[in-house]
Amino acid sequence: GAVVSQHPSWVICKSGTSVKIECRSLDFQATTMFWYRQFPKQSLMLMATSNEGSKATYEQGVEKDKFLINHASLTLSTLTVTSAHPEDSSFYICSAKGLTTHTDTQYFGPGTRLTVL
Amino acid sequence: GDSVTQMEGPVTLSEEAFLTINCTYTATGYPSLFWYVQYPGEGLQLLLKATKADDKGSNKGFEATYRKETTSFHLEKGSVQVSDSAVYFCALASGGSYIPTFGRGTSLIVHP
Repeated sequence: GAVVSQHPSWVICKSGTSVKIECRSLDFQATTMFWYRQFPKQSLMLMATSNEGSKATYEQGVEKDKFLINHASLTLSTLTVTSAHPEDSSFYICSAKGLTTHTDTQYFGPGTRLTVL
Repeated sequence: GDSVTQMEGPVTLSEEAFLTINCTYTATGYPSLFWYVQYPGEGLQLLLKATKADDKGSNKGFEATYRKETTSFHLEKGSVQVSDSAVYFCALASGGSYIPTFGRGTSLIVHP
């Protein structure tokens, strides 16, 4: 149980375009979802936390107008990278927790590799 | 603030060798401690966790003991397999938070 999926698994786009990444909880209701960014050979950096039906809370230094997060339902959150540039190329990972999952445990998606040309 | 320090990798071992990946932490209060594993091209999977001092988390032959006196949570496995090759992240969550603080990760490479 507690499976989280992401789509797409990888995407290549041109500089200046926008890219949307979906994160879904498949077998539980995710009251809270998290978006992380991971640079090569580095740890995960929390970008934002989103609760269903409310605005996301962004970590310091993360541009909320560039990384738009929507958590419209209990099973879906989306991250849109607007006007992407090469420096936005990274591995983006979402995670989720819900009412039926352990309170201190997050379940991670498989990640989306974004390459901006 | 909270922080996690892991040994730098890569750690390269032969199959059936003994594995230790060191992890130490700094936190206020009594955090929960975790090990996550990331296989190539995939997201993170929770490997094991411990929620209080002297607890031992174990899974798939891996184990780690919560040592409050040394603020450590070292990961061990008695006999590694090629399929254990991955990046291992130590993490903590404190103060009732469910948002973990991650270490930088340690890459493990196991040769046949």
